[in-house]
Amino acid sequence: SQLAEENSWALSVHEGESVTVNCSYKTSITALQWYRQKSGKGPAQLILIRSNEREKRNGRLRATLDTSSQSSSLSITATRCEDTAVYFCATHSNNRIFFGDGTQLVVKP
Amino acid sequence: GGIITQTPKFLIGQEGQKLTLKCQQNFNHDTMYWYRQDSGKGLRLIYYSITENDLQKGDLSEGYDASREKKSSFSLTVTSAQKNEMAVFLCASSLGGGNYAEQFFGPGTRLTVL
Repeated sequence: SQLAEENSWALSVHEGESVTVNCSYKTSITALQWYRQKSGKGPAQLILIRSNEREKRNGRLRATLDTSSQSSSLSITATRCEDTAVYFCATHSNNRIFFGDGTQLVVKP
Repeated sequence: GGIITQTPKFLIGQEGQKLTLKCQQNFNHDTMYWYRQDSGKGLRLIYYSITENDLQKGDLSEGYDASREKKSSFSLTVTSAQKNEMAVFLCASSLGGGNYAEQFFGPGTRLTVL
C-alpha cells in the first residue's frame, strides 16, 4: 500500500479559476512536500510544510496540513496555462521520502 | 544556481543487457539519489548516497547497482535489463539527507528495453 497518495488522478480547470489537489498519507510524518512535474522534466519542489505547521504559502500556492486526518491540500489561485503539470505530494518519515502517484492538472485557456 | 545533468536522455537496450546511466550535479550537494518513475506513477527510490563512496539501498535496489565515484557524480547500472522496467530514471541531489532537505531533480533518462 502507498504511504502517500493524491485523491484525484486528473483535474481540469479554465485559466483564472482556482483548484485544489488533495493528498492523504498513512504514517507519522516529519514533513510533507508538494512537487510539480512538467512534461519531460524532473519534479520541482513547490512547498515544504513541517508537521508542526498547518499552512504554508508561496505566491499563488497555499498548502495545508492536517495531521489528525493525515491529509494535505495544495490550492492554486488564478491558474495559468503554465500550471499544467502533474502535482505530487511526498511525505518525509525516518529520513525517507515517499511519493504519491500524482494528480494531472490541465489548465485550459 | 546549479544544474543536474543526466546522460543519456534516451537509452535503448536489449533484454538481458547491462546498461549504465550517469548523473552529474554542480550544486556541491552531499546527497544524491536515483529514482525510477513508471508511466503515470510516482517516484520509487532505487539507491542513494550521502557522500562520496557511500551507497544506501532504497526500496527498489534489486536488479540495480550504483556507484558514487566522486561528490559530483552518481551512476546507476541496470544489471540485466527487463522489459517490465521500462521507465524514466530520475537523479536528484540535496544539500543534506535529513527530513527537510529539498531535492533537486534532473530531467531524467527514459529507458526502453526491446
